[in-house]
Amino acid sequence: QVQLVQSGAEVKKPGASVKVSCKVSGYTLTELSMHWVRQAPGKGLEWMGGFDPEDGETIYAQKFQGRVTMTEDTSTDTAYMELSSLRSEDTAVYYCATVVVPAATILDYWGQGTLVTVSS
Amino acid sequence: DIQMTQSPSSVSASVGDRVTITCRASQGISSWLAWYQQKPGKAPKLLIYAASSLQSGVPSRFSGSGSGTDFTLTISSLQPEDFATYYCQQANSFPLTFGQGTRLEIK
Repeated sequence: QVQLVQSGAEVKKPGASVKVSCKVSGYTLTELSMHWVRQAPGKGLEWMGGFDPEDGETIYAQKFQGRVTMTEDTSTDTAYMELSSLRSEDTAVYYCATVVVPAATILDYWGQGTLVTVSS
Repeated sequence: DIQMTQSPSSVSASVGDRVTITCRASQGISSWLAWYQQKPGKAPKLLIYAASSLQSGVPSRFSGSGSGTDFTLTISSLQPEDFATYYCQQANSFPLTFGQGTRLEIK
């Protein structure tokens, strides 16, 4: 059983960056395909990017290209999502979500979510 | 990108009712479709994958069907804990995309 525990809520000013962490237990990061999904208040789910085990690369949604970086620290089994140049529209709950490889596109396990508020 | 369109956007139903939610993909995705349930303030929960396979632990009153571009999620007899928002997601290719959600409310 995979468990994902995310870092706490953040408040950021426009133009700043935020880095959200996602600690894995039950499996190692190398056994998982990790993704990030966000949800603006009262809105639906939006995939931001994730790891494609077929190519061995992280794929980002075009909307976030150049502003998002997803990294992994396999020594601590912690995944990170950093979003830069924040604007008010980035206010959302950010989820890490994962599946055991070789599956890659079904999001089987989810973190509890991290609320990021962007406000001046 | 593959666009996913759900209908209806919201539905009111009573405990014991049978409810069907539909999801249409903008292009064929074979059976690469998942359904999620989300309750307020909680993370989504995987219900069905590969269009019709029930995730472990999910009650058998939930079922999925379809292939190609048209899919359905059916709840055979609504229980109080089923009132939530449901999302479909295409798992055929990147970028992964979700439907806009269907809110299931108590009548």
